[in-house]
Amino acid sequence: QKEVEQNSGPLSVPEGAIASLNCTYSDRGSQSFFWYRQYSGKSPELIMSIYSNGDKEDGRFTAQLNKASQYVSLLIRDSQPSDSATYLCAVNPTNYGQNFVFGPGTRLSVLP
Amino acid sequence: ETGVTQSPTHLIKTRGQQVTLRCSSQSGHNTVSWYQQALGQGPQFIFQYYREEENGRGNFPPRFSGLQFPNYSSELNVNALELDDSALYLCASSPRQGAGELFFGEGSRLTVL
Repeated sequence: QKEVEQNSGPLSVPEGAIASLNCTYSDRGSQSFFWYRQYSGKSPELIMSIYSNGDKEDGRFTAQLNKASQYVSLLIRDSQPSDSATYLCAVNPTNYGQNFVFGPGTRLSVLP
Repeated sequence: ETGVTQSPTHLIKTRGQQVTLRCSSQSGHNTVSWYQQALGQGPQFIFQYYREEENGRGNFPPRFSGLQFPNYSSELNVNALELDDSALYLCASSPRQGAGELFFGEGSRLTVL
């Protein structure tokens, strides 16, 4: 069973703080990892991808990958109320073609 | 550049009926995937189409079927609808097979009564 787990939240942080979102996956052979943001009533949109161990930064977002621990995280610096959304972790497991297993998502609320 | 478009946006069906959902992929994208997202859950992979052939399938019964057309647009058909089929159905296109990014349409929200 290929699983992706996330805390469902809600995770509440004050405006300007760092939001830390975590994701674990079960398939050790997974190679590709993605974070999608989904606003209420909207479709997911890609915000970060990461393929190698370590950190990847893009503006206020940093993705962190630790394949040994089967752990992916997303840090959002200087959180804004507009960052309030559900964040979905997606993993491309071994032998799953070009398809993805999504976690249940973590709902983030940034309080003004 | 035209994004992924889906139709209809909302629809209501009764148990046992059949439904067809449609998707136009983003310009230049030849791979289309369909996902089911139940309320409060992450999207679940249904199947993927590449060059008009099914190229991967998730854990969904055969009453979920699809098509891809030469222009890369796609249909999702669900027969013998069940109450649990109520969900948001998302179409996602990719620029090529193996591409790591999915570009989602706004989805079709299906309610089965």
